[in-house]
Amino acid sequence: DIQMTQSPSSLSASVGDRVIITCRASQSIYNYLNWYQQKPGKAPKLLIYAASNLQNGVPSRFSGSGSGTDFTLTISSLQPEDFASYFCQQTDITPLTFGGGTRVEIK
Amino acid sequence: QVQLVQSGAEVKKPGASVKVSCKASGYTFSKYTIHWVRQAPGQRLEWLGWINAGNGDTKYSQKFQGRVSITRDTSASTLYMDLSSLRFEDTAVYYCARDLWGYCISGSCGGGDFWGQGTLVTVSS
Repeated sequence: DIQMTQSPSSLSASVGDRVIITCRASQSIYNYLNWYQQKPGKAPKLLIYAASNLQNGVPSRFSGSGSGTDFTLTISSLQPEDFASYFCQQTDITPLTFGGGTRVEIK
Repeated sequence: QVQLVQSGAEVKKPGASVKVSCKASGYTFSKYTIHWVRQAPGQRLEWLGWINAGNGDTKYSQKFQGRVSITRDTSASTLYMDLSSLRFEDTAVYYCARDLWGYCISGSCGGGDFWGQGTLVTVSS
């Protein structure tokens, strides 16, 4: 199975901060990498697909980059509604696997 | 609008089976793969398998092979996930999710663009 390693596992940031979350795959997954946001008690919400494509309706302050094994999710200016957990997922090979998550908290 | 509405919470004893449903609406049911994913307390999201709602083909995670069965009822636009021989560690929220691309292709998929609200399955003696 492809292992997905996300870092950091948690971070504290202020409104307006630039936030970067990284995800590393145990082998090349080309650009088959998605990013999700999840708030407590809710289902995950797709933010970025195929490493760098913004899902419909997602604010442009979210962006993704990377290919092969190393990927990043950037929030250019953190907003109050962005305090949540973020997960990466590889969709190249089954079993589809997820990173361990990054919890973004208010500083 | 696309909606996936799941059945309600379940409490089961170890060794029992559970069947979770996921009713789809707002799109052409047969043109999409549906994934099942679970999230146990304090654990990362875990993929159980998918079903091609058009032809009924399935693909399961090896971890759950033999215990999980995913089916569909096209007349009711509903998907089902059956998990048998339940263990305490199967306690989790179970989600269905529609694949972004439609169908998975040559083993690769698009991931989940629309998700159900989740179903809590509790395994307790």
